[in-house]
Amino acid sequence: ETGVTQSPTHLIKTRGQQVTLRCSSQSGHNTVSWYQQALGQGPQFIFQYYREEENGRGNFPPRFSGLQFPNYSSELNVNALELDDSALYLCASSSGTTRTGELFFGEGSRLTVL
Amino acid sequence: EDQVTQSPEALRLQEGESSSLNCSYTVSGLRGLFWYRQDPGKGPEFLFTLYSAGEEKEKERLKATLTKKESFLHITAPKPEDSATYLCAVRGPLANGGSQGNLIFGKGTKLSVKP
Repeated sequence: ETGVTQSPTHLIKTRGQQVTLRCSSQSGHNTVSWYQQALGQGPQFIFQYYREEENGRGNFPPRFSGLQFPNYSSELNVNALELDDSALYLCASSSGTTRTGELFFGEGSRLTVL
Repeated sequence: EDQVTQSPEALRLQEGESSSLNCSYTVSGLRGLFWYRQDPGKGPEFLFTLYSAGEEKEKERLKATLTKKESFLHITAPKPEDSATYLCAVRGPLANGGSQGNLIFGKGTKLSVKP
């Protein structure tokens, strides 16, 4: 059973550019959620995808968008990057069938915006 | 507004010195309180879920408890390998959707255990 994998692990962009981050969910998990974690802060919920549709969203502007594919993998896209977008972006998958409701997180993609 | 506050921000213990981490929460209706462990440069790792006041869960040297306003993570006789940031989270508001993946996290408590 493979865990949640994210790519790239690190990347540097300049203000105004666009970025795409990728996530492969754990085998059998059909739900993917994305989080932003700034340095010294807890993760903040961006959105969730289920059956290829966004079905939950936190307080993030529309320039944060995503996709989920038939194999449940997912992408996070951020347009018009701002300096404050520098953070660790975490992907988490879940199956919805466990009583614990636990999320399985990847190791994240660290984005630096200059 | 739903929110989670953790204290202390940082805690330094000697190996074997037991202590507790606090998580205070404000939610319109608790649908689960979660504890995660996060090592530097890694994603959070699930520890426990608690659903109702009075519930307790244990795993090795860790024990999580829940009241109507807060949760405690008790660490008994910690070892250096317990050093990590411990995150507390509750399910986010139903209005935002994402019933599974929508968690509101606290800022965490950074635990350091010295040998």
